[in-house]
Amino acid sequence: NAGVTQTPKFQVLKTGQSMTLQCAQDMNHEYMSWYRQDPGMGLRLIHYSVGAGITDQGEVPNGYNVSRSTTEDFPLRLLSAAPSQTSVYFCASSYSRLDGEFFGPGTRLTVL
Amino acid sequence: KNEVEQSPQNLTAQEGEFITINCSYSVGISALHWLQQHPGGGIVSLFMLSSGKKKHGRLIATINIQEKHSSLHITASHPRDSAVYICAVRVDNDNNDMRFGAGTRLTVKP
Repeated sequence: NAGVTQTPKFQVLKTGQSMTLQCAQDMNHEYMSWYRQDPGMGLRLIHYSVGAGITDQGEVPNGYNVSRSTTEDFPLRLLSAAPSQTSVYFCASSYSRLDGEFFGPGTRLTVL
Repeated sequence: KNEVEQSPQNLTAQEGEFITINCSYSVGISALHWLQQHPGGGIVSLFMLSSGKKKHGRLIATINIQEKHSSLHITASHPRDSAVYICAVRVDNDNNDMRFGAGTRLTVKP
């Protein structure tokens, strides 16, 4: 099993550009989530999904969109990048919302 | 005030020392997690606790639900234990959100 994979590992964007961070898992997990990690702060939940076709907002959803068309994939879209979105983004998955999560390797995003 | 507080923020130890990292939380929870983030950035789940104590190798995690407090202990610390240790709680509400502490950066010197 590859576990949770994320692409790209690094990305630099200009303000106003859009892009999609990819996340995939091969463990048949129902629950998937996106977090951002900023210096001095804990991980914060952006969006999550409890199964294909179902998504919901987390703590910091503004400026991000998600969709879950399959169990395996959970892409995160930045609609119009802003410098405040410079962060490290982690995707995670688990069997259910109450289980421990498996984390992807992260994507380091810089918005200039 | 953060819902999950960790102490200390930074910790430097000599190889072989006994390490304790503390986590206090202010919300009702269904479970508490300890995570390890390596210098390369990867995050690994160490423990999930809802009561009592768990042990895995040199790592021990305890939780006191009444006091809303958990500790992570590392016995006979080693330089390879150097990492950021993160406490996270699964909030006992309709959303079952996760809330994370800011992490404790541990450096173990040889």
